[in-house]
Order: sequence, then structure tokens, then C-alpha cells
Amino acid sequence: SAVISQKPSRDICQRGTSLTIQCQVDSQVTMMFWYRQQPGQSLTLIATANQGSEATYESGFVIDKFPISRPNLTFSTLTVSNMSPEDSSIYLCSVQGSGELFFGEGSRLTVL
Amino acid sequence: EDQVTQSPEALRLQEGESSSLNCSYTVSGLRGLFWYRQDPGKGPEFLFTLYSAGEEKEKERLKATLTKKESFLHITAPKPEDSATYLCVVKAAGNKLTFGGGTRVLVKP
Repeated sequence: SAVISQKPSRDICQRGTSLTIQCQVDSQVTMMFWYRQQPGQSLTLIATANQGSEATYESGFVIDKFPISRPNLTFSTLTVSNMSPEDSSIYLCSVQGSGELFFGEGSRLTVL
Repeated sequence: EDQVTQSPEALRLQEGESSSLNCSYTVSGLRGLFWYRQDPGKGPEFLFTLYSAGEEKEKERLKATLTKKESFLHITAPKPEDSATYLCVVKAAGNKLTFGGGTRVLVKP
């Protein structure tokens, strides 16, 4: 299994600002995944982050709103840009094990 | 289109009252079915992987089973600390993941 650390664990943000979430994994991984979980909902994949290339975004998510960095095989960041109250969610970083996914503890963002 | 449906949406149990959660799936080419436990405000915690019909996995009071159309998560003699949301995730051909909506379980002492 992988140990995944996310920062911040929670934050309260003002409308129109941007916040960057960091994800650190205790081992080298090829792909890292970013998920969003809106209140009372299941998880939705935002994008897949590969080291050395641009992230691949799912339908409904764009790079201008959710820019992602992947500078090495153990670290990634997700920025939520120009936030609105609709962006209030838990954002989760994930990596794949032998078949299953492992998740970080999540970053709970509340946008006022 | 791949679909994963969990039922019930919510389950209230008395401590010691055993029950089962259901995960029905329709996917093209099952590659694996995963169960997770998620506590409020936290990330999902991996529980089990099932790959083929007839497979069973156990961990403490939890037992997961798999058929060709559904999976069950049995909770035997639950305790209040088993209260959580249980998520079912299915991997299909092309490594595509589909998440169920989850079952919120509340175990009252």
C-alpha cells in the first residue's frame, strides 16, 4: 500500500481566490489521480497526472480551472482557480497499487 | 454505459444486528471490484478487491462476496465504530473506474 499525504487538510477560502493542494506519496508512482467529492456525492475523477507530460482532464474539467503540476514521481499539486461556492468539495489525491486505488486523506475546501 | 448502483443509500443498525450492503454493476469486461470505507471528511480506505465470481474476502466483521452481477458486503455483529460510508468501485476494460454512490451505515449502541 502507499502512504499519501495531502496539504492542506482543510481550508476556508474567499470567492475569486485560488488555492493549491499538495500531494506527496511515499513511493515513486507513474500516475497520480485527482478526484473531487462534492457534499453528499461520490467521487468524480478530475484528471490524471503523469510525470513529464500534461495532465489528462476528464469531461467537464479544464486546465484553466484546475491546473496540475507533476514535477517528479512522488509529488503533484492541484490548483483550484477563481473559486466559487460551487467548488466547495473534498479534493482527493490517489495512486494505483497492484489493482486498487489508494487515497489521501483529502483536502476539504469551503468557499464563501 | 458502465453503471454501479449501491443499495440501500442509508442503513441504520443496532449494535450486533448483522446486515448486507449491495453493489450491482453493469460493466463491459469486469477487471476488478473494490470496496472502500470512508469516514466523514476523510479519504476512502481500501478494504477488499474481488476479481471473479465466487470469490470471497474477509476482514474482521466484514465479508465481501462477488457474483457475475453484484457484490455484497456483509457486516456481522456490527459495532458503532463500523459506522461509515461504504463505497463500491468497479474497474472495467480499459482500466476505467466507475464509482457507486455509497451506502451510509450508522450503527447505534
